This record gives sequence, structure tokens and C-alpha cells, in this order.
Amino acid sequence: TQLLEQSPQFLSIQEGENLTVYCNSSSVFSSLQWYRQEPGEGPVLLVTVVTGGEVKKLKRLTFQFGDARKDSSLHITAAQPGDTGLYLCAGVDSGYALNFGKGTSLLVTP
Amino acid sequence: DVKVTQSSRYLVKRTGEKVFLECVQDMDHENMFWYRQDPGLGLRLIYFSYDVKMKEKGDIPEGYSVSREKKERFSLILESASTNQTSMYLCASRVEGYEQYFGPGTRLTVT
Repeated sequence: TQLLEQSPQFLSIQEGENLTVYCNSSSVFSSLQWYRQEPGEGPVLLVTVVTGGEVKKLKRLTFQFGDARKDSSLHITAAQPGDTGLYLCAGVDSGYALNFGKGTSLLVTP
Repeated sequence: DVKVTQSSRYLVKRTGEKVFLECVQDMDHENMFWYRQDPGLGLRLIYFSYDVKMKEKGDIPEGYSVSREKKERFSLILESASTNQTSMYLCASRVEGYEQYFGPGTRLTVT
């Protein structure tokens, strides 16, 4: 199993602040996926990044895949309480199963 | 609308009981997965299946078994439940190379 490390582990911010979370590995992945998990629910896919250096935007969320396809970041602009949740990155390689990081738990307070 | 359903959202069992967790997907996906999720440990893969009657061990298979008799159904079995198996159990399905769809999870408590 290839390890994906996410940082920070926990983040508590006020509504309106910006934040960045990171997903790092020593391994190369063919693509990387970001999921968000709300309390008591299963994770839901936010985005898949495929090309090294790729940047994808989803409203206030910006995802970047590193040039070497070993790391990724998620930036949230003007966070809202609805962004609260656990953010998971998952690396896709040649195997059947995804490699998940442990997640960043985000709390946005009004 | 794609869907992965799990038989129970909450389950309380006693130590030593045999426990069945059922998962059904309606997307005709070949690959199905069982994870457990614990605070600080993240998602850990227990077993996965890439076809009917086919199964592979994940990272933490000890104490668990699985069954896949039909493409849409993947069952996780705890042969003799123990307190250290108290956890959130998540089922998922996927077509290789594409999005993984998760069920809502079963929060199992073993007392």
C-alpha cells in the first residue's frame, strides 16, 4: 500500500477565511481524487485530477495536482459552514483499490 | 441516480455473535470494497472483490470474511464479533479508473 499523508489533520476556522490542505506521497499516481465526507455519511467524490500541474476549480474550491504527480492541494476561498467535513485524498495506481490518506477534518464556524 | 445501499445504519451486537453487513449497488460495477473507518486511522481496506465469487484481502482482513454471490451484492461477515471491531463500516463500488461510490456506512458497536 502506497502512503498518502494529509496535512493538517485538523483545521478550525471562521467563516470567510481561506485555507489550504495538502496531500503528499513519495509515489507517483496516475491520477488523484478528492472526496468530502460529512458526519454520518459516506465520502463523496469532489474531483479527479489526472495531468501533472493540472488545476481544477469547483466554485470556491481549487484543486492542484503536482507536476510530478506525487502531491496535491485543495484550496478553499471564503470558507462557509457548509464546507465542514472530512476531506480525503485518494491516489489511483494500477491496482484495484484506491490508496486513501487519513484525511483533514475541517470545521468552519459562523 | 447511482446508489450504494447498506443494510443498517446502526447496529449493536454482543461479543461472540456472528454479524452480517450487506451492501448492494445498482450500477453494475465489477469492483466492490469494504472499509472500516476509525478516528486517527482513516479508511482501511478490509476486503475487495473484482468479480462475482472473486475476493482479495485488503490491509486488515483478520477477523473478517466476505461473500459475493451476485454482482450487485457484497457481504461482510464478522465470524465472532469482538469489541475491537466496533467501528464505522463503509462499502463502496467502482469501475476501474473511475469514481468510487460509497454507501452511507454502518456504525457497528460490539459490547
